[in-house]
Amino acid sequence: RKEVEQDPGPFNVPEGATVAFNCTYSNSASQSFFWYRQDCRKEPKLLMSVYSSGNEDGRFTAQLNRASQYISLLIRDSKLSDSATYLCVVNIIGGTSYGKLTFGQGTILTVHP
Amino acid sequence: ETGVTQTPRHLVMGMTNKKSLKCEQHLGHNAMYWYKQSAKKPLELMFVYNFKEQTENNSVPSRFSPECPNSSHLFLHLHTLQPEDSALYLCASSLQLPGTGRDEKLFFGSGTQLSVL
Repeated sequence: RKEVEQDPGPFNVPEGATVAFNCTYSNSASQSFFWYRQDCRKEPKLLMSVYSSGNEDGRFTAQLNRASQYISLLIRDSKLSDSATYLCVVNIIGGTSYGKLTFGQGTILTVHP
Repeated sequence: ETGVTQTPRHLVMGMTNKKSLKCEQHLGHNAMYWYKQSAKKPLELMFVYNFKEQTENNSVPSRFSPECPNSSHLFLHLHTLQPEDSALYLCASSLQLPGTGRDEKLFFGSGTQLSVL
């Protein structure tokens, strides 16, 4: 099983649509979770951290389900500018006292007019 | 501008060449990282440095040699690479290492697109 797994998509949605991505992780001891966004040929940029109680930032909502070991990202009222690859990042706890921020392969989103 | 600067942006090298990638962060962070991103694959962690000491070598071949002279600068020295090493190499920094319970968010540089011929 991959340490961090995402549905690669692509997701093609019209402007204004609501779209949701899920990400599963294998290590139940993981404590830190993030969503990053990567535009074509650019570096990943932090979109939002994911907290246990769930959190919202404008049109974006992130949820964490520890029991089922997945996190989700919901985008409401999609904009053309939301087109990007969305990367799930999980702190995978290994043999050392520190973890490794481990990336999923990303989910491609295309928002069309 | 993320505060992490990488040079060069693009690099083409032959298998017998020696080159170096440079990364500098202006964020006052303590940890620096090298990641590799190949087409259709997740970002792969290569090396981690904390306060200029290496804390992670993720089974990277010795043809990749990192150097961290201080907390703000990170290099990746390349020699006798293979065509399969062609990828986007990303430098990142964070205030603290993951798992410390403190600020561990990664900030990336723009990357070096490497082609090995």
